[in-house]
Amino acid sequence: DVKVTQSSRYLVKRTGEKVFLECVQDMDHENMFWYRQDPGLGLRLIYFSYDVKMKEKGDIPEGYSVSREKKERFSLILESASTNQTSMYLCASSIRGQGVSGNTIYFGEGSWLTVV
Amino acid sequence: AQSVTQLGSHVSVSEGALVLLRCNYSSSVPPYLFWYVQYPNQGLQLLLKYTTGATLVKGINGFEAEFKKSETSFHLTKPSAHMSDAAEYFCAVSDGTGGFKTIFGAGTRLFVKA
Repeated sequence: DVKVTQSSRYLVKRTGEKVFLECVQDMDHENMFWYRQDPGLGLRLIYFSYDVKMKEKGDIPEGYSVSREKKERFSLILESASTNQTSMYLCASSIRGQGVSGNTIYFGEGSWLTVV
Repeated sequence: AQSVTQLGSHVSVSEGALVLLRCNYSSSVPPYLFWYVQYPNQGLQLLLKYTTGATLVKGINGFEAEFKKSETSFHLTKPSAHMSDAAEYFCAVSDGTGGFKTIFGAGTRLFVKA
C-alpha cells in the first residue's frame, strides 16, 4: 500500500514563528502536493512538485514556500505564521502522467495547525 | 476551466436507507472523475474513479457512481447506508495530467442515523 506520512498531526505555533510541515511518501511517486482544507472550501492546492527541486504554485501559495530536496520528501514552510493560516494541511502524492492509475492521489492523514 | 459542484454540504440518512450524494462538473476535455472519502481525523482515500469505458463505476464499501456526460454529473450512491459510512465525501475532476489539475468539490458530510 502507498503510504504518505506527515510527521506532525497536531501543532500549535505562535504568530510570526517559522513552521515546517514534513511529508514522506514511500512509493517512488514523482508528484507531491500540499493542500489546505477548510470547512466549506474543500481542498485548495498550495504547491505542487513534479520532480526533485521542481515546484509549481497552486491556487493559494501566498505565505507559503516548499522544498523538495529528495524524491520522497516534500516540506511545506510557513515563513511567518499568521492566525489565518490555522487549518488542516494535507500532503499527497501521485504517479506522474496519464493512465488508469496515473491520476489517483494518495493522501497523508493531515496536520492540524493552530496559530495563536 | 474545470470546476466541481457538490449539492448539499450535509446529507442525513437513516441506517439502511439509500445514500445519494450529488456531484456536477464542468470540464473542457474528457474528464477523469473521482470520489474520495475522509473519515474523522484522517486523510482522504479513493472510493472510486471513472477514467474511460463503462460509465457505471463500482468502488469500495458498496458505493457506486454513474458518469452521465449529457448531465455532466457523477453522483455517488449506495443502496443501504451503514453507520460506518458516516464521513465526508469529496467529488473531484482531473484533466488527466497526473493530478496537478485535480479540482475538488467543497465536500458533503454524510450523517447516518440509527
